[in-house]
Amino acid sequence: DVKVTQSSRYLVKRTGEKVFLECVQDMDHENMFWYRQDPGLGLRLIYFSYDVKMKEKGDIPEGYSVSREKKERFSLILESASTNQTSMYLCASSLQRSDYEQYFGPGTRLTVT
Amino acid sequence: GIQVEQSPPDLILQEGANSTLRCNFSDSVNNLQWFHQNPWGQLINLFYIPSGTKQNGRLSATTVATERYSLLYISSSQTTDSGVYFCAVAAGNTDKLIFGTGTRLQVFP
Repeated sequence: DVKVTQSSRYLVKRTGEKVFLECVQDMDHENMFWYRQDPGLGLRLIYFSYDVKMKEKGDIPEGYSVSREKKERFSLILESASTNQTSMYLCASSLQRSDYEQYFGPGTRLTVT
Repeated sequence: GIQVEQSPPDLILQEGANSTLRCNFSDSVNNLQWFHQNPWGQLINLFYIPSGTKQNGRLSATTVATERYSLLYISSSQTTDSGVYFCAVAAGNTDKLIFGTGTRLQVFP
């Protein structure tokens, strides 16, 4: 079974803090993704990565950065958290490029006050 | 970009009833997945089905790629089936999933 884990289920941070969300997959997948989910807006892609040290912007990258130093780990970084980044963050992975099933982690519900 | 529409938006059933959820998409796709989001927010993979028909227990899915739609069938529904069902597609040379707005299913005993 594919297992994608995220470092926290719930997180509360203050405006201006630097926030790290960690995602780890245990199936040697090449691709990893970060989405956010908001009521009325659905799920939207923030960043993705096809390989170690590679990253590509998704639909809403502003205010975020990512890091992929090891194949199994993909980190989402909020450089200076703002209240409009309060959201559910979901990490996913898939085997390799093109046409492969994505598997999601349990999600991190982030609140920025 | 590709558009994904799901219907109905809400569905209320009594335990034991059958239901059909629909997903329409506006262009050819390379990937189509159905997910169930549980009350804790996790997306559970149901089917990876860019074309054809698959079955898994009480659930089955059919994608007619040429007509740009997919159907998810739930038979003999149970209260544990409650939650939001999402269809998501990827098209072209991208792995980016585009999600529909979901169908919220409530099953009552």
